Amino acid sequence: QVQLQESGPGLVKPSQTLSLTCTVSGGSISSGGYYWSWIRQHPGKGLEWIGYIYYSGSTYYNPSLKSRVTISVDTSKNQFSLKLSSVTAADTAVYYCARTTSGYGDYRMDYWGQGTLVTVSS
Amino acid sequence: SYELTQPPSVSVSPGQTASITCSGDKLGDKYACWYQQKPGQSPVLVIYQDSKRPSGIPERFSGSNSGNTATLTISGTQAMDEADYYCQAWDSSRYVFGTGTKVTVL
Repeated sequence: QVQLQESGPGLVKPSQTLSLTCTVSGGSISSGGYYWSWIRQHPGKGLEWIGYIYYSGSTYYNPSLKSRVTISVDTSKNQFSLKLSSVTAADTAVYYCARTTSGYGDYRMDYWGQGTLVTVSS
Repeated sequence: SYELTQPPSVSVSPGQTASITCSGDKLGDKYACWYQQKPGQSPVLVIYQDSKRPSGIPERFSGSNSGNTATLTISGTQAMDEADYYCQAWDSSRYVFGTGTKVTVL
């Protein structure tokens, strides 16, 4: 059973960079076949896909956030990370990581982390 | 950008059938999936590729997709099915989520 766990600061100051890490257990990122996504959910609102990474380091980002997002992977630690720069209060949200399929008509997120709330405030 | 629209809320009596719609331009030409999210919890995939159920998802959950509308149907709705439901599709190289529907079991 694949499990994902987000970690990182719960409070970030405006204009700074939000940094989160997702640790994967029960499966290896480097085995391939899956992408690894970040998704966020503003308080009381819907879901927004931020981007994903493949074990090779290939990334794809939501165009609406692309200029501020960097996703990286550390296969030796079975982790992948999110950096979101120049944050504002509008980036306050619960951030989730998820295992993702992409291609051949199969686009879904089948395993999710528990989520971590990040608040942007001075 | 592509948008998926859902009704904000659906009410259903226990044991009855709940239908949740998801509308998007030519959605039937894409594959849709559905997630269930209970308060304070992460989303759970309940339907993928329009109508497939992941392992462990009860048979009362089913899906369809045609034209501009995908539909999630919960047959014999139980109190435990009360949750928010989100549809999702892939368009123009990004994952798009629907606006979400709160299902209330009265």
